[in-house]
Amino acid sequence: EDQVTQSPEALRLQEGESSSLNCSYTVSGLRGLFWYRQDPGKGPEFLFTLYSAGEEKEKERLKATLTKKESFLHITAPKPEDSATYLCAVRNSGNTPLVFGKGTRLSVIA
Amino acid sequence: DGGITQSPKYLFRKEGQNVTLSCEQNLNHDAMYWYRQDPGQGLRLIYYSQIVNDFQKGDIAEGYSVSREKKESFPLTVTSAQKNPTAFYLCASSPRGRGGSEKLFFGSGTQLSVL
Repeated sequence: EDQVTQSPEALRLQEGESSSLNCSYTVSGLRGLFWYRQDPGKGPEFLFTLYSAGEEKEKERLKATLTKKESFLHITAPKPEDSATYLCAVRNSGNTPLVFGKGTRLSVIA
Repeated sequence: DGGITQSPKYLFRKEGQNVTLSCEQNLNHDAMYWYRQDPGQGLRLIYYSQIVNDFQKGDIAEGYSVSREKKESFPLTVTSAQKNPTAFYLCASSPRGRGGSEKLFFGSGTQLSVL
């Protein structure tokens, strides 16, 4: 059974204090690992897809990396508007629906 | 403007009542999904459909029903058999591709509460 575990559950940062969120996964043949951002009361918004170990993608202050067992979402010099819940999900080789982790709730304090 | 529209944004259910959540997409996507989100929890799959007139149960289908009569529409009915329906419900869609790497596009959600 595919599993996704995200840590920490919650993270509080000062503005400008860089950090990383972790997504550990077990999947039978990874077809893609997805990162989403979710604001309170809204639907998740797509950030990145990673396909193979060693791959990296960047968008503004966010950088996602992938190994064979986990993915990291690095946040460089975060701002208060980066506060949100970040969700990680995987899809396996059987093309079944995405399996999501519980998310990391990030708060960035000015 | 292409996207996924969920309605209503807020819905209240009386005990013993069935309620239906609407989901419409104009992205021409083949696959559609319903997820449930409880506070502090991730998204749990209720039902999904990869083609019109066909759908599959997800991890928590008990107490829910769906239909897929049109490509654009995938309504979810929360039946009286669902004893704990209070949650945030998210509809999503994706194109149908070869690799299975297609991302999901989400609607803005419906918050269902029990009166």
